[in-house]
Amino acid sequence: GENVEQHPSTLSVQEGDSAVIKCTYSDSASNYFPWYKQELGKGPQLIIDIRSNVGEKKDQRIAVTLNKTAKHFSLHITETQPEDSAVYFCAASIEGYSTLTFGKGTMLLVSP
Amino acid sequence: DVKVTQSSRYLVKRTGEKVFLECVQDMDHENMFWYRQDPGLGLRLIYFSYDVKMKEKGDIPEGYSVSREKKERFSLILESASTNQTSMYLCASSLISSTVVGSEKLFFGSGTQLSVL
Repeated sequence: GENVEQHPSTLSVQEGDSAVIKCTYSDSASNYFPWYKQELGKGPQLIIDIRSNVGEKKDQRIAVTLNKTAKHFSLHITETQPEDSAVYFCAASIEGYSTLTFGKGTMLLVSP
Repeated sequence: DVKVTQSSRYLVKRTGEKVFLECVQDMDHENMFWYRQDPGLGLRLIYFSYDVKMKEKGDIPEGYSVSREKKERFSLILESASTNQTSMYLCASSLISSTVVGSEKLFFGSGTQLSVL
């Protein structure tokens, strides 16, 4: 089955800095890659996703990049703010075939 | 907004007890899921259901069962709770689309922190 590795497990940045979280996947057939954000005391919430026919997707301060050859994808957050502090999960699946496999999560702490 | 409600935020049970975790969604979603979340292990799928009375095993179904008698309600059952089932349990739902299984947007509840003593 699919295996998703996520790094780093914790990330501390200063407000205004950029943050990058990286994930690798094992199954070359995977073609859907979402990112979920979990704030303290809440369930995860989808923030952005990308499909394998696209190399990059951007939504305001967040962007996701995908390298199919290397089987890795990354979440980029620019101009970080304290409210970006949360646990972020990457995931992968084969659209139309499998359920999502999640990474182990990254705790992002943005200090004012 | 979609609302996924889990019946308890915190639950304390004793070893050997039968435990029911309840989840209700209000947006007529066909798909419902149960995950457990453990530090350093991420989110792991226990069971899911694509329709009433249907269930599919996820990655870690051992020691659990589920029930889906109504579309809006999905219950996770621990037949005989053990200490290694102490965890945060998250319920999720999503709209069905036969062409995009695996890429539906998941809506999560806030979770139930279960402690088995």
